[in-house]
Amino acid sequence: EPEVTQTPSHQVTQMGQEVILRCVPISNHLYFYWYRQILGQKVEFLVSFYNNEISEKSEIFDDQFSVERPDGSNFTLKIRSTKLEDSAMYFCASRQEGISNQPQHFGDGTRLSIL
Amino acid sequence: ELKVEQNPLFLSMQEEKNYTIYCNYSTTSDRLYWYRQDPGKSLESLFVLLSNGAVKQEGRLMASLDTKARLSTLHITAAVHDLSATYFCAVVRMDSNYQLIWGAGTKLIIKP
Repeated sequence: EPEVTQTPSHQVTQMGQEVILRCVPISNHLYFYWYRQILGQKVEFLVSFYNNEISEKSEIFDDQFSVERPDGSNFTLKIRSTKLEDSAMYFCASRQEGISNQPQHFGDGTRLSIL
Repeated sequence: ELKVEQNPLFLSMQEEKNYTIYCNYSTTSDRLYWYRQDPGKSLESLFVLLSNGAVKQEGRLMASLDTKARLSTLHITAAVHDLSATYFCAVVRMDSNYQLIWGAGTKLIIKP
């Protein structure tokens, strides 16, 4: 069964450094999402992406965050200058267009640890 | 603003018992999802509920949706240890591009 893949599985970074989290969505999916989950807390929406542009973003997704789909397969989340509070599990998800009863499919996540 | 509340947040139960997890949401939505998460793992889709009165069953789990009451339930029948996990409900925000708003999760521990 096709799946969403995320790399790396764990990223450790010094505060203030830039990080790029990578995702390969399911190939025939056209809607892409990033969520984060701080340890022990609920999942929070960050951003949705469709047709090569951001369609929605949350308050969490400030100027330090950006997303892009550089080559038609990868979907990346960049954090420009990381803060301690960015430490969390980041999940990428994708969804098929036009199939209203299909869920978002999630990758295994990237655990981001900011030191 | 759409808010999603789950209860209980923590549930410890014996095998073979039945229990129900509740998910309330504050504004109209026509799609609700239940996901399972094992510790340190990803989010696995369990059920998609699209309409009022929808009921779906998979093994010992059954989910239902009452859109008028803005309530979904996840019922566990004759629990077994393998069902130990955290269960999340997530509701689609109506004026969005399928943005999911999540409950806090119910951590379910089933003791043998």
